[in-house]
Amino acid sequence: AQSVTQPDIHITVSEGASLELRCNYSYGATPYLFWYVQSPGQGLQLLLKYFSGDTLVQGIKGFEAEFKRSQSSFNLRKPSVHWSDAAEYFCAVGDRGATNKLIFGTGTLLAVQP
Amino acid sequence: DAGVTQSPTHLIKTRGQQVTLRCSPKSGHDTVSWYQQALGQGPQFIFQYYEEEERQRGNFPDRFSGHQFPNYSSELNVNALLLGDSALYLCASSLQGRTYEQYFGPGTRLTVT
Repeated sequence: AQSVTQPDIHITVSEGASLELRCNYSYGATPYLFWYVQSPGQGLQLLLKYFSGDTLVQGIKGFEAEFKRSQSSFNLRKPSVHWSDAAEYFCAVGDRGATNKLIFGTGTLLAVQP
Repeated sequence: DAGVTQSPTHLIKTRGQQVTLRCSPKSGHDTVSWYQQALGQGPQFIFQYYEEEERQRGNFPDRFSGHQFPNYSSELNVNALLLGDSALYLCASSLQGRTYEQYFGPGTRLTVT
């Protein structure tokens, strides 16, 4: 069965420090992969997506993610975190069926220290 | 260009009652998916509607039902509410053929007491 694991429930980083959020997936073939961000009381905003091709993808707000097939991973990175990046981050796999339903991980809550 | 809108924003219901949540898709989109996000969890797929029909359902009981209207807007109905139905309900819209690009609304927070 398809699944997504985000090993880190809560991460705290200092403003200006680099960030890496981990995501591992289980899927039979090459999936569609996504990172979403959710601010308190808000819906989900798409940060970036991977479908095929270049394994390093760039997203909005200075985020990037790297697809590593051998490790079944799709980790999210940012070189310098801003206080406004504090939010919850969700990794998701897109089922490449007719509906492309999304299967989400449980999320990583990011706190940013001044 | 209006994004995905959902109503109401918040809702409080009592166990056993019924509730209807509404979603208007992003302009130009014809497909609507519903997700349930329990507190501290990632969203879980409930079902997807296209051409006024349910195309796929996740692992949710029949108490959860939906409808899509000719203008592509959608409703999610939940009958016989349980405490465990308390969650944020998210609607996502997409274009058929590009359903991998889903745009989410702000959600409806349902509290069942």
